[in-house]
This record gives sequence, structure tokens and C-alpha cells, in this order.
Amino acid sequence: AQSVTQPDARVTVSEGASLQLRCKYSYFGTPYLFWYVQYPRQGLQLLLKYYPGDPVVQGVNGFEAEFSKSNSSFHLRKASVHWSDWAVYFCAVSPDQGGRALIFGTGTTVSVSP
Amino acid sequence: GGIITQTPKFLIGQEGQKLTLKCQQNFNHDTMYWYRQDSGKGLRLIYYSITENDLQKGDLSEGYDASREKKSSFSLTVTSAQKNEMAVFLCASSIVGDQDTQYFGPGTRLLVL
Repeated sequence: AQSVTQPDARVTVSEGASLQLRCKYSYFGTPYLFWYVQYPRQGLQLLLKYYPGDPVVQGVNGFEAEFSKSNSSFHLRKASVHWSDWAVYFCAVSPDQGGRALIFGTGTTVSVSP
Repeated sequence: GGIITQTPKFLIGQEGQKLTLKCQQNFNHDTMYWYRQDSGKGLRLIYYSITENDLQKGDLSEGYDASREKKSSFSLTVTSAQKNEMAVFLCASSIVGDQDTQYFGPGTRLLVL
């Protein structure tokens, strides 16, 4: 069955430091993959999406993610974290390649220290 | 731009009670979703609706009913609230042809005493 695993429930990073959030997927074939972000007291927002093609995808606010078929991964990165990046980040896979609702991971909470 | 409104923001219920959550969107989107968010479990799909009067069950539909009375609104009913239940219910919408880009509401926080 299709699934997404985010192994880190919580990550703390210093402001200005780099960030990597891990996501592993289980999917038969080539998946469509997504990162969503949930800022405090707000709904989820799409950060970036991967459709088959260039493995590195650029998103908003300096985020990027890299798809790896050999590692079944779709890790999210940011070179320099800002305090406003304090949020919960969700990785997701589309089970029908755009046909219906997404399957989400359990989320990683990012805390930013000064 | 558009907005998704969820009412109420907070809902406190009693065990066994029937509780209704409402969602309105003004994006003019065709597809709407209800997810449940539990701490440490991510988002799980309860119901979704491709168009008015359509209902599709998600993985977590047992214990819930849904209603899509019109294109802009999607209601979710907890048929019998479970004691000590605590979760956030998120409504989302998307357009046909780009259903992976979902727009979410701020959520309804449920606590059952």
C-alpha cells in the first residue's frame, strides 16, 4: 500500500542554520510527491510538489526538495532557516497521481532557536 | 484569492453526542475533503466529495457522516462522540485537474468530555 514515513517527529535548528527534513515513501511506480506546511493556528499550505521530471524541485520561501527513486525518498531542504519557518511540515503522496485525496505523513515539527 | 471557513473553531461535546462541523469555501472549487489530524498520526482522510451531492469514503469514514448540500459547503457529522476524544478536523478544497494542490481551512478543534 502507498504510504509516507517521516522519521523525525521534531527537529530543532538554530536561526541561520541549514535544515533537512526526511521523507520516505512507499509507492508502486513513480509517485507524485508533495510537501505541505502548517504554520501555528493556520491551515496547511502547499510548499512544493514533484511530478516526474527534474528530481530537484524548488518551492516557496527558499525551500527545495530532492526526489530519489533509488532511496524512495523526497527530502526537504533549506539553506538558511528563519524564525518564521517554525511550523509543522508534512510530506504527502498522491495515490492516484492526481485522481483523489493525498496520503500524508505524520509530520515533523520544526522549532527555531535564536 | 479565496478562503475556507470552518465552524465552529472549538467544539466541546459529551460522550454519545451527535456533533456537526461545517465548512464553506469561496474558491468555487469542485472537490472538498474532510481530514482528521491527531497528534503523532498526521492527517487521515474521512470523506471527500468531487461535486455537489457526491460523497466518497476515506480510510477513516466509520463513525462519521458527510453531506455536500451545495458546491460551496461540506458538512461532517460525528455520529456518536467518543469519551476523551481530542482531534482537529481539517476541511480542504481543490479544483478538478489539480486535486493535489489542496487549500485548507484553519480547523475545528474537538474535545469530548
